[in-house]
Amino acid sequence: EPEVTQTPSHQVTQMGQEVILRCVPISNHLYFYWYRQILGQKVEFLVSFYNNEISEKSEIFDDQFSVERPDGSNFTLKIRSTKLEDSAMYFCASRGGWNEQFFGPGTRLTVL
Amino acid sequence: DQQVKQNSPSLSVQEGRISILNCDYTNSMFDYFLWYKKYPAEGPTFLISISSIKDKNEDGRFTVFLNKSAKHLSLHIVPSQPGDSAVYFCAASDSSSGSARQLTFGSGTQLTVLP
Repeated sequence: EPEVTQTPSHQVTQMGQEVILRCVPISNHLYFYWYRQILGQKVEFLVSFYNNEISEKSEIFDDQFSVERPDGSNFTLKIRSTKLEDSAMYFCASRGGWNEQFFGPGTRLTVL
Repeated sequence: DQQVKQNSPSLSVQEGRISILNCDYTNSMFDYFLWYKKYPAEGPTFLISISSIKDKNEDGRFTVFLNKSAKHLSLHIVPSQPGDSAVYFCAASDSSSGSARQLTFGSGTQLTVLP
């Protein structure tokens, strides 16, 4: 059964460093998303991506964040200068023609 | 911002009995609702969904009921099994975000099924 994959499973970084989180969505899906879950809080929407451009983004997704689909299979989330409050689980999701989104296993980002 | 609310943080049920998980929403623009199950250190796994044009959707042991007038939905699991023990998230989407349809999540309910 096709699934969304994410790498790395755990990323530890120093405050102010850049990180890139990687995702491989399900191959025939058209919509791609990043969500995050800070420990003890809700899963929150960050950004959606369709037809090679951002279609929606939340208030959380400020200028420190960017997304890219560099090669037609990978979907990446870059945080330019990490802050302590960026520590969270980051989930990638993808969707085909229906409304169900399928999530990857997540990347745990720890900012020290 | 509490557009999707799951007021019970936890629920314990005996194996073989029915589990009922509840979810309320405030945004009347929501037109599609989903339930996800999540185990620790894993991503949310899609379980079942329902469109606002329906009031019930069934898939095996899982049934979702939607009461639009009350802005309430519930997930029924019958019979409950120990493997169902997980955190269950209610999520909703609306068409106002265009085709993107990002999800708004509730805070989750930890279901424990006791053997």
